[in-house]
Amino acid sequence: DAGITQSPRHKVTETGTPVTLRCHQTENHRYMYWYRQDPGHGLRLIHYSYGVKDTDKGEVSDGYSVSRSKTEDFLLTLESATSSQTSVYFCAISVGEGMGEQFFGPGTRLTVL
Amino acid sequence: QKEVEQNSGPLSVPEGAIASLNCTYSDRGSQSFFWYRQYSGKSPELIMSIYSNGDKEDGRFTAQLNKASQYVSLLIRDSQPSDSATYLCAVNGKYNFNKFYFGSGTKLNVKP
Repeated sequence: DAGITQSPRHKVTETGTPVTLRCHQTENHRYMYWYRQDPGHGLRLIHYSYGVKDTDKGEVSDGYSVSRSKTEDFLLTLESATSSQTSVYFCAISVGEGMGEQFFGPGTRLTVL
Repeated sequence: QKEVEQNSGPLSVPEGAIASLNCTYSDRGSQSFFWYRQYSGKSPELIMSIYSNGDKEDGRFTAQLNKASQYVSLLIRDSQPSDSATYLCAVNGKYNFNKFYFGSGTKLNVKP
């Protein structure tokens, strides 16, 4: 257990509304990641962070923004949710200066109607 | 071309057999390779990591890496029904070692 929690665990929202997902870790890992998982696509990186206020885009970053004001929290925001953003979202931390193993949170199931 | 390719399966093996899962990757400069197991409705959990060519064994699991051929494999010996899950292969990027690319996973069914 890498001490990673995600909130909320489930959310249903309507198209056009803003949504923020929270990832919290208890072990001060520098690297944190947001992925989405859809059938047939595996895990796809949305954004990641390599320190407080340091973030970078992943392969599917359009429509998403992130913030990291504290080491322990990494927020993912959907500015205006669309049905194509219905997915399961996983947060992860990486050990070994970001090149090492990743450990995942329990996931958030988001449905955009 | 996807960065990481896996056969989606399902791969069916009888209990006690060896299950062989394969993964190919496109970025020749990748240095870190991982296998994760994911049960339905759960988050991925790390099984093995491998960083150099050859075999790495951990209990019933053996990871094999061949950088020249750009493939990674996972062998599961004495397969158990509890091994039934989706197995995800992940590699890091050539120019950004902190970015990870996942395959879409291979579903393994172990029949009692």
